Amino acid sequence: NAGVTQTPKFRILKIGQSMTLQCAQDMNHNYMYWYRQDPGMGLKLIYYSVGAGITDKGEVPNGYNVSRSTTEDFPLRLELAAPSQTSVYFCASSYDRVNEQFFGPGTRLTVL
Amino acid sequence: AQSVTQLGSHVSVSEGALVLLRCNYSSSVPPYLFWYVQYPNQGLQLLLKYTTGATLVKGINGFEAEFKKSETSFHLTKPSAHMSDAAEYFCAVSEWRNNNDMRFGAGTRLTVKP
Repeated sequence: NAGVTQTPKFRILKIGQSMTLQCAQDMNHNYMYWYRQDPGMGLKLIYYSVGAGITDKGEVPNGYNVSRSTTEDFPLRLELAAPSQTSVYFCASSYDRVNEQFFGPGTRLTVL
Repeated sequence: AQSVTQLGSHVSVSEGALVLLRCNYSSSVPPYLFWYVQYPNQGLQLLLKYTTGATLVKGINGFEAEFKKSETSFHLTKPSAHMSDAAEYFCAVSEWRNNNDMRFGAGTRLTVKP
């Protein structure tokens, strides 16, 4: 049981490039989330999904897109990367919306 | 919507001393409350949670927290700090009755001095 996995661990992008952060979970959770963590700012919700085929915006969705074609996978797409997107990105999953979330190890992204 | 305030972005204690990390929340309905811990270069993991019932909740690694409705607080304590407790700690709240998303505090970095 791997829990929540994320790839890559680290990435450096140039301004204007695009990339996809991968996230997968093997706990059969319907709910999945993407957060970004900036120093001293806690976690900000980017997008979330309540099941395959259903996604919705969180607090800071601009500059990002998501899809959820399967229960297991929830990739996050960055289009036209900007320095403001330099952050650590965490994927999480949960059984329902209000209970414990299980987090992946994170992806550290730098945009130069 | 619910929100969380963690008092003190940095807390430093000596090894063996009491650890007290403060968390206050606002919620229009009875909340679910959580403490997560994040070790360097890792994701968050659950320390403990309060949903209903006993207001004193025990978690992993000797931590506990008490839900005080009258004070809207959920402070995290540990009687005796260990070097391995050095990490960042996040308080979080969700509103099960409103089916609202979990909201996290800004975090408190705990340093343990030898």
